[in-house]
Amino acid sequence: EVQLVQSGAEVKKPGESLKIACHGSGDSFINSWVGWVRQMPGKGLESMGFIYPGDSDTRYSPSFQGQVTISFDKSNRTAFLQWSSLKASDTAMYYCARSPTVATPPDDAFDLWGQGTMVTVSS
Amino acid sequence: EIVLTQSPGTLSLSPGERATLSCRASQRVSSSYLAWYQQKPGQAPRLIINGASTRANGIPDRFSGSGSGTDFTLTISRLEPEDFAVYYCQQFGGALPYTFGQGTKLEIK
Repeated sequence: EVQLVQSGAEVKKPGESLKIACHGSGDSFINSWVGWVRQMPGKGLESMGFIYPGDSDTRYSPSFQGQVTISFDKSNRTAFLQWSSLKASDTAMYYCARSPTVATPPDDAFDLWGQGTMVTVSS
Repeated sequence: EIVLTQSPGTLSLSPGERATLSCRASQRVSSSYLAWYQQKPGQAPRLIINGASTRANGIPDRFSGSGSGTDFTLTISRLEPEDFAVYYCQQFGGALPYTFGQGTKLEIK
């Protein structure tokens, strides 16, 4: 079964670093981009950026440029989202999702989603 | 940045009724690049409509999408109990950011 499985919930303090993961089974990421979507508590969805696993081409939404880093490990079929210094305002659910297109920038909707990783940042 | 405004914010209907959800864009969006998602509490979003009017795999035919330019609509012809959820529209395919609407909560009356 094609699926995206994300790493577990995290509780961190402000200023700490964090890297969360999204593993794709089988051919989940073939000819596709992987995106990250933020959902703050009780709020809507925000697209953060994308990475193309084939060549690690990465695109960030302007609001998230410089705030997070998206990367991909081909050997483990895993996408990552990382922060170097967390803030309380980073508290949110983070979803990875697949956009099944090779176009640059991606031009297809998110057809497959991970289950989400809850990140809580509190002193 | 393209802003998507969904209306109404909350829609209260009964099972069996017809639901009409609206998504209005601040500038023209290609129909190919407009999607609708359903999100239930505690779950990840699920793609239900792509390309403004194409149902995603496994989505029942009571769901339909329409529209073009700046005005798009999601219609659920006869509500089933499992359809009560939050629905988001999204535009993509051009310059980032790919934005979502703020959501419409479809609740049981």
